[in-house]
Amino acid sequence: SQQGEEDPQALSIQEGENATMNCSYKTSINNLQWYRQNSGRGLVHLILIRSNEREKHSGRLRVTLDTSKKSSSLLITASRAADTASYFCATDAGTNAGKSTFGDGTTLTVKP
Amino acid sequence: GAGVSQSPSNKVTEKGKDVELRCDPISGHTALYWYRQRLGQGLEFLIYFQGNSAPDKSGLPSDRFSAERTGESVSTLTIQRTQQEDSAVYLCASSSPGERPTDTQYFGPGTRLTVL
Repeated sequence: SQQGEEDPQALSIQEGENATMNCSYKTSINNLQWYRQNSGRGLVHLILIRSNEREKHSGRLRVTLDTSKKSSSLLITASRAADTASYFCATDAGTNAGKSTFGDGTTLTVKP
Repeated sequence: GAGVSQSPSNKVTEKGKDVELRCDPISGHTALYWYRQRLGQGLEFLIYFQGNSAPDKSGLPSDRFSAERTGESVSTLTIQRTQQEDSAVYLCASSSPGERPTDTQYFGPGTRLTVL
């Protein structure tokens, strides 16, 4: 099974609301990354958080990492219709240097 | 500068035919990855190239799948005797290893393969 698993699988909110997505993983990691994908095409990197970090911010994005629970969350504040996309977490387990493992993603729909 | 490019963007083929998918990574990126993404699903790792090291082929689903990379540039993913279950978007990504083994991956737009 995938190392990273996102939750929920699908999320639908109104514009202006906050969206929270979670990612759980199984083994120790060096870092965890969140990506965004529009229309089933290429992914765009959003943010990377290292295993010794607990929280990072980038614009309207906030990522937390709890290594004791092996979980991460991505919060998008004040969502916009343009945030509609699939969001994936990817973990680098270190022992497989260079090989990130992606989850199945959370599909976010932001209604205008 | 130019990002990761892939060609063709769409490929329709008949069952049993061979296909070649091409990836041009970002110049200077020593690491290159291939992924497969079936409709509505996550990314499935296929193969990873890093410099002159032996590629990590652990994700290739069968011996019908192979990939090559010329130095630190173009990579070709070949699928022989295609099957309908090979239909998917094939994504290529490249990265530039920094202090850590894994750095940000930059993805191409993908090749959408349809096997009839």
